Amino acid sequence: AQSVTQLGSHVSVSEGALVLLRCNYSSSVPPYLFWYVQYPNQGLQLLLKYTSAATLVKGINGFEAEFKKSETSFHLTKPSAHMSDAAEYFCAVRLGAGSYQLTFGKGTKLSVIP
Amino acid sequence: EADIYQTPRYLVIGTGKKITLECSQTMGHDKMYWYQQDPGMELHLIHYSYGVNSTEKGDLSSESTVSRIRTEHFPLTLESARPSHTSQYLCASSRAGGDNEQFFGPGTRLTVL
Repeated sequence: AQSVTQLGSHVSVSEGALVLLRCNYSSSVPPYLFWYVQYPNQGLQLLLKYTSAATLVKGINGFEAEFKKSETSFHLTKPSAHMSDAAEYFCAVRLGAGSYQLTFGKGTKLSVIP
Repeated sequence: EADIYQTPRYLVIGTGKKITLECSQTMGHDKMYWYQQDPGMELHLIHYSYGVNSTEKGDLSSESTVSRIRTEHFPLTLESARPSHTSQYLCASSRAGGDNEQFFGPGTRLTVL
């Protein structure tokens, strides 16, 4: 079975500060990993994905994530938070190419303080 | 921007009513999905389809049903809505290939009184 754990249901950072959102997964096979962002009253939008190529993945809006197999982690970072980054962020895992289903974490709500 | 649409965006109805939530995509994706999302909780897969005339139940048990008669259309139906069905319903689609991401619609927020 696969699962995703996002540490911290709510994270607050000051504008201009580093953003770090944590995601750990459990999977018995090499996973595909995704980060999505959800703004209020909207659907999910893909930020970035890991598909077994480079372990450091760059996404949209200045976000990046690093796949660390030894730590089973895929943490999301951004060097400098912007007010527009305030949203909910979801980490998701898919078990390899034969599976199309995603397992999502419970989400982390990011607040940015002016 | 993904071309996947859901209607209605918001729906408030009384108990016992039959409702259909619409989902359409113009990307030609074979795979389509319905998720249920409650505040502070992860998305739960309730139905999925890998192509026309193919539908399967997801991990979360749901009293809803789905159909897939056309590639672009994947409606979800509740025969008799109850307050326990109050939630946000998200539709998504993807291309073949496990590394392909799912594209999400804007969601339908359903309230059953």
